[in-house]
Amino acid sequence: SQQGEEDPQALSIQEGENATMNCSYKTSINNLQWYRQNSGRGLVHLILIRSNEREKHSGRLRVTLDTSKKSSSLLITASRAADTASYFCATDAANAGNMLTFGGGTRLMVKP
Amino acid sequence: NAGVTQTPKFQVLKTGQSMTLQCAQDMNHEYMSWYRQDPGMGLRLIHYSVGAGITDQGEVPNGYNVSRSTTEDFPLRLLSAAPSQTSVYFCASSLYFSSATDTQYFGPGTRLTVL
Repeated sequence: SQQGEEDPQALSIQEGENATMNCSYKTSINNLQWYRQNSGRGLVHLILIRSNEREKHSGRLRVTLDTSKKSSSLLITASRAADTASYFCATDAANAGNMLTFGGGTRLMVKP
Repeated sequence: NAGVTQTPKFQVLKTGQSMTLQCAQDMNHEYMSWYRQDPGMGLRLIHYSVGAGITDQGEVPNGYNVSRSTTEDFPLRLLSAAPSQTSVYFCASSLYFSSATDTQYFGPGTRLTVL
């Protein structure tokens, strides 16, 4: 079973709006990462947040982590059509050795 | 640097055939892994390696073999292809894989169809 699950599965917004994606996981983690995948391409790393961090920013990206709720959110501000992609969270579970587990992803469409 | 390269990009096999998916990285990364991605789903870990000569099973290892004779290469072998192995396969690498967890660098993928 998947450690991380994203919500919503699909999201459609207008250019300029903010997009928020959520990730929930089941077991304690060391870190959580967010990746982006353009159609037909490999995944590209966006941001990593450690279990002792609560919020992290990178450009238009803001990630939060709530370990008490076992959840994370990815906020993309002022979205652009080029942000259209699938977004995945990945967790490094504390008891899973050297394994990174991905969620099912959120498909984001930003309409121009 | 070329990063992570995968060959072939596309492959069609018949049930029962065997083949090897190639993965190479030129970043001197210790950690390499293979994932499969099925439609509408996330990635599932097949096998991984923390260094030359060391491999371990991931979440869905059945039907696949790997070896790591060099730091650069991490081939994935399908022993007897089955339609259930139709998927997109991604290879990834990272400098280390510790509790600090490195960024994973992904290859472009191999789209495999088993008839």
